[in-house]
Amino acid sequence: KNQVEQSPQSLIILEGKNCTLQCNYTVSPFSNLRWYKQDTGRGPVSLTIMTFSENTKSNGRYTATLDADTKQSSLHITASQLSDSASYICVVSSFSGGYNKLIFGAGTRLAVHP
Amino acid sequence: DGGITQSPKYLFRKEGQNVTLSCEQNLNHDAMYWYRQDPGQGLRLIYYSQIVNDFQKGDIAEGYSVSREKKESFPLTVTSAQKNPTAFYLCASSKETMPKNIQYFGAGTRLSVL
Repeated sequence: KNQVEQSPQSLIILEGKNCTLQCNYTVSPFSNLRWYKQDTGRGPVSLTIMTFSENTKSNGRYTATLDADTKQSSLHITASQLSDSASYICVVSSFSGGYNKLIFGAGTRLAVHP
Repeated sequence: DGGITQSPKYLFRKEGQNVTLSCEQNLNHDAMYWYRQDPGQGLRLIYYSQIVNDFQKGDIAEGYSVSREKKESFPLTVTSAQKNPTAFYLCASSKETMPKNIQYFGAGTRLSVL
């Protein structure tokens, strides 16, 4: 069964600190892995997308890593800001039969406190 | 101002009533999607459309219906057959359904049952 699991479920950090969110997946066939940021009551916004051959990708203070051998990914947030408070969703893409299916994790809810 | 517009932002459904959620995009995307988001769960695909006048069932299509008469519009009807409709509904679009294409999301509609 295709699954994407994220940890921790929620996280509280102080402004200015770094944090790392984890994503483990069992998806086949694998096409790519994406991280989305979702503010409360809003739609998700894409942060990064990585294919099988990419180990790391950055978007400002966000750095995603991918280990395709162990089927793990992480999202590292550097020097957190209050505006980073959101849910972060790991999404794995599986392309089959002419259609690109996305399997969503349940997300990690991050709260950044002053 | 390009993007995906969902309306209404909040919607209430009475017992036995059908309700329709609107989704409009001006990104000239061919593919459009409807997802349901419940607390503590990943997004689940309801329906998707790769081209005008064609759409396919997703993982949880029962109790829902869609139409795709125009490229820009992909309305979702929640029918009385959907016994647990309370959720956050997200519409998305992408250029195509190929693996490299990013899905862009609307701001969502929160549906509640009276």
